Formats: sequence, structure tokens, C-alpha cells
Amino acid sequence: QSALTQPPSVSGAPGQRVTISCAGSSSNIGAGYDVYWYQQLPGTVPKLLIYGNNNRPSGVPDRFSGSKSGTSASLAITGLQAEDEANYYCQSYDSSLRAVVFGGGTKLTVL
Amino acid sequence: EVQMVESGGGLVQPGGSLRLSCAASGFTFSTYWMSWVRQAPGKGLEWMANIEEDGSAKNYVDSVKGRFTISRDNAKNSLYLRMNNLRAEDTAVYYCARERPGQLVALDYWGQGTLVTVSS
Repeated sequence: QSALTQPPSVSGAPGQRVTISCAGSSSNIGAGYDVYWYQQLPGTVPKLLIYGNNNRPSGVPDRFSGSKSGTSASLAITGLQAEDEANYYCQSYDSSLRAVVFGGGTKLTVL
Repeated sequence: EVQMVESGGGLVQPGGSLRLSCAASGFTFSTYWMSWVRQAPGKGLEWMANIEEDGSAKNYVDSVKGRFTISRDNAKNSLYLRMNNLRAEDTAVYYCARERPGQLVALDYWGQGTLVTVSS
């Protein structure tokens, strides 16, 4: 059981907006620790998509955005494209576990 | 270009040991925290351990404490993971990853991974 909970799957049509939720607790997101998001395209290594809750590394399109509120965080993808089909993982730090924790991952399907 | 190349994976029997290596290039290795992350076949990501720039501080997930040891050799730009008493549930692709400075913990570059299979 992951310390961070994500929906197993989400889907959307090209051009639409989708969001992926990441539910945490008072020992991780709710404690003020930053949230990070990774994209893992099929057969590839994970890629940092969002850092520090809502910042994009160089080269990440502004169609991707992150937000955080209370004990939860979200990744939003606008203008959905076929190439966005991938697994997405949220990540934070948990002070009770004293460890970096990942969500279970969400598979995004572009219809 | 930042690059990390893992090696040392393979098939090992339950209770056996392996030492994974990660050769880094394209950045000043000695100034970055480094992590190991694993991914079981068809499963999600699981952080294993990380190590401070000079190797003085190390952190582990509970499931591997006492069995896995992270280390580094800054002169060789290399990161290591010694894995003892391996179990079937340790079967996974193991990635080394660089930590982005000033974040807790952003993994900004990943190697291609090395597969560890624990089976009799």
C-alpha cells in the first residue's frame, strides 16, 4: 500500500484536459513536503515532469501543470496529445516513514 | 550530456548477493546526492536509498535496511548498491538517479536500469 494514492487509470480524448490526483496524509504532502511528478512512456525510464509542486524542468511543455492543496496534489494536462499516453507517478517525502514515497502510478490513455 | 549507466544485474538465487554499479558522466558527480529506485515487472516505482555528496549520510527504505548498502566512489564517478540476502520480491529493474539540488527529493536524471531477478 503506497503512502500516496493515485487513481489506477484516467483517460481523455485528444485536445481535452485531464487531471491526475495524488492523495497523501499529514506526514507527507500535508506536512508541507514538496510534490514531484514523473512521466514514464512505454518502455522508457521515468522523466521528471514537475518539481517543487508546480515547476516544470526545461523542455517540459506548459500543457503540464501541478498543484498542491492540503494533503493532496494534482497534475493537470491540457490539450491532450497521443504522445502523452504514459504512466504518471507522484512523489514526495514522508516524515513518519523517513523515506521518499511514490504513488502507485496512473495510466493515462488517450482515446 | 548527463548520463548514468547501471550494471551488475542478473539472476541470483534467494539468499544470494549482488553489487550494482552506476557509472555517471556529464556532470560533477561529487556535488550531487544520488538515489537508487526500483521497479518490479509491471509495477510502480519504489525508492530504495540515497547518499549524500561525500557519502557521509545515507538513507534507506525500511524494507531493505540491514540488507542493502549504498555507497559511492567520487574519484570514479560511481554509485553502488550492495544487496545481500535477496528475496523473490527484490526482483526488479534498479535505476540510479541524480537528485536535483535544493529539492527533497527530485530525481532529475535516471539511468536505463539494470534487471535483477531473484529466483531458484
